[in-house]
Order: sequence, then structure tokens, then C-alpha cells
Amino acid sequence: KNEVEQSPQNLTAQEGEFITINCSYSVGISALHWLQQHPGGGIVSLFMLSSGKKKHGRLIATINIQEKHSSLHITASHPRDSAVYICAVGDGPRGAGSYQLTFGKGTKLSVIP
Amino acid sequence: DTAVSQTPKYLVTQMGNDKSIKCEQNLGHDTMYWYKQDSKKFLKIMFSYNNKELIINETVPNRFSPKSPDKAHLNLHINSLELGDSAVYFCASSPAPRYGGYTIYFGEGSWLTVV
Repeated sequence: KNEVEQSPQNLTAQEGEFITINCSYSVGISALHWLQQHPGGGIVSLFMLSSGKKKHGRLIATINIQEKHSSLHITASHPRDSAVYICAVGDGPRGAGSYQLTFGKGTKLSVIP
Repeated sequence: DTAVSQTPKYLVTQMGNDKSIKCEQNLGHDTMYWYKQDSKKFLKIMFSYNNKELIINETVPNRFSPKSPDKAHLNLHINSLELGDSAVYFCASSPAPRYGGYTIYFGEGSWLTVV
């Protein structure tokens, strides 16, 4: 079973700062997901990646398969980025067709104006 | 137009009652899931269905019974509710799995409180 560790658990930043959230896992995976959850809100998928790097606006996600590690970066952070960011790893298709995600415990980000 | 919709969003009920949460997706996906998020915000898979067939059942008490009448719907029925069932339940869907992963789409969550 995969163990997913995120750090830090809590992060407070000033508006405009560059933010990094880290995720490490213990067993090889087929893909890694970064998710965002606003307080009282639903969960939005930010990235799904299996190698390299992806960028969407001010968000950048990287993964190093050999080191079993991923990072989520936020450039020029803004108060609306305040949310819980969750790393989840997928263990590959099972049989006829499903795929299990194992989740980290999340990183609570607060961006102060 | 909501991609994955769950109802109800909030549910307060007494111990011992039976309740259902409904989920529908309009994305044409083959696979649907139920996840539970506990009070510490930790998410865990409960069930996964692919084309109406149960694929994953992760040590969930048999008081929880998922039902998939068609591949666009996955409902969760809970019998004899207990205090420990209080949580947020998320429905999700994805395209058919393949190695390399795929994007997963979550519903807004259903906040269940058992009193």
C-alpha cells in the first residue's frame, strides 16, 4: 500500500510570495494528482501527471518518478489561492477497470493580503 | 452545467436512520467513485464502479450499499446510521482507467451529520 506524505501541513504566506508544497510517496505509481479544496467547498483537480512538469496559469506541478516526489508551486500567490491542497497517487488500472487513489493529508495554505 | 452532481448537499439525521445520497455525472464517464472525508479532512476511497460493475470495495461496513442503475448514476445508501458515519461524502467520476492516469472529477460533496 502506498504511503503519501505531504509537507508542510500548514503554510501561511504573504500575497505575492512563491509557494512550494511537497509530496512524496513510497511505491511506484501510474499517475499523481494535485487537488484543491476551498473551505466548505468541493474538490477540484488541478493537475494529473505521470512525468515531467505541467503548468497552468500561476500553478506549476513537477514530478520526479525516480525519487518518488512531486512539488506544487504557486507563483505570485494571492488570497484566493487559500485552500487545502491535496496530493493523491494512483496505483495503476486494476483488472476490468478501476484505479485507486491514495491521498495525502493535505496542506492548508493561507495567503494573507 | 454541473459535471458531477450530488444530492443532498447537507443532511442531518438521527442515529439508526437509513439515508441515501444520490450522484449523477453528465460527462459520459465509465467509472464512478465514492470517497469519504473524515473530520481531519483525510480522504479515503469507499467504492468504485466501472460500467455499473463494482470494482473496489474498501473495507466499508456492509451498512453502506452503493447502487449503480446505469453508468451515469452511483447512489450511496446507508443503513442504521452511526455517529461515526458523520463525514463529507464525495462522488467522483473519470474516464475508463488506463496506465498513465486520467483526470478525476469530483462532486461538491454531501455533508452528513448523525446526531
